[in-house]
Amino acid sequence: DADVTQTPRNRITKTGKRIMLECSQTKGHDRMYWYRQDPGLGLRLIYYSFDVKDINKGEISDGYSVSRQAQAKFSLSLESAIPNQTALYFCATSDPSAVSGANVLTFGAGSRLTVL
Amino acid sequence: AQSVTQLDSQVPVFEEAPVELRCNYSSSVSVYLFWYVQYPNQGLQLLLKYLSGSTLVKGINGFEAEFNKSQTSFHLRKPSVHISDTAEYFCAVSEGSGNTGKLIFGQGTTLQVKP
Repeated sequence: DADVTQTPRNRITKTGKRIMLECSQTKGHDRMYWYRQDPGLGLRLIYYSFDVKDINKGEISDGYSVSRQAQAKFSLSLESAIPNQTALYFCATSDPSAVSGANVLTFGAGSRLTVL
Repeated sequence: AQSVTQLDSQVPVFEEAPVELRCNYSSSVSVYLFWYVQYPNQGLQLLLKYLSGSTLVKGINGFEAEFNKSQTSFHLRKPSVHISDTAEYFCAVSEGSGNTGKLIFGQGTTLQVKP
């Protein structure tokens, strides 16, 4: 099984619908992140969480919300999806206590979301 | 604010040829620098990182990068590429001076290795 699992892997939805993307990890890492990838823009940080009680906005949090249900689970929600939220979404984890530090991220395989 | 610029969106190269993928960053503080690779339909995985020390960093799959503070660059190189190196490559810098895990990514460079 993958260390960081994202579901669903692909989703097509309509404008105005509520969508949840889920992420679970078996790494035992405290820190979890949601990034969005768009062609030509690289990855941009949406939200991050340093532990279950700590949630922080990233660069592009408008239109998104998150929930850290447990150390291993971090969900991203789009309350009312719009077409410009069509993108590839990545969940990632990191471990600040590791020798390499918190900046080494372990990524999931991605969730491709299309909003029509 | 910190930023990362990858100077080439696509780099076509023949198999067994050398390749350099260019990355420049801007920052007013000390940085940590990274190269990640994304194979088709997969997530990103770490190729190599610069945290401190030697400016020449070696990574997986024969890649290496050199941190050049005066030129604010962190170019990725491989002396001989394989078809299997075809992927998208992302340069990233840590935000701020701390160990936050918040990375700023470049736009990505698609490496296309031709037989």
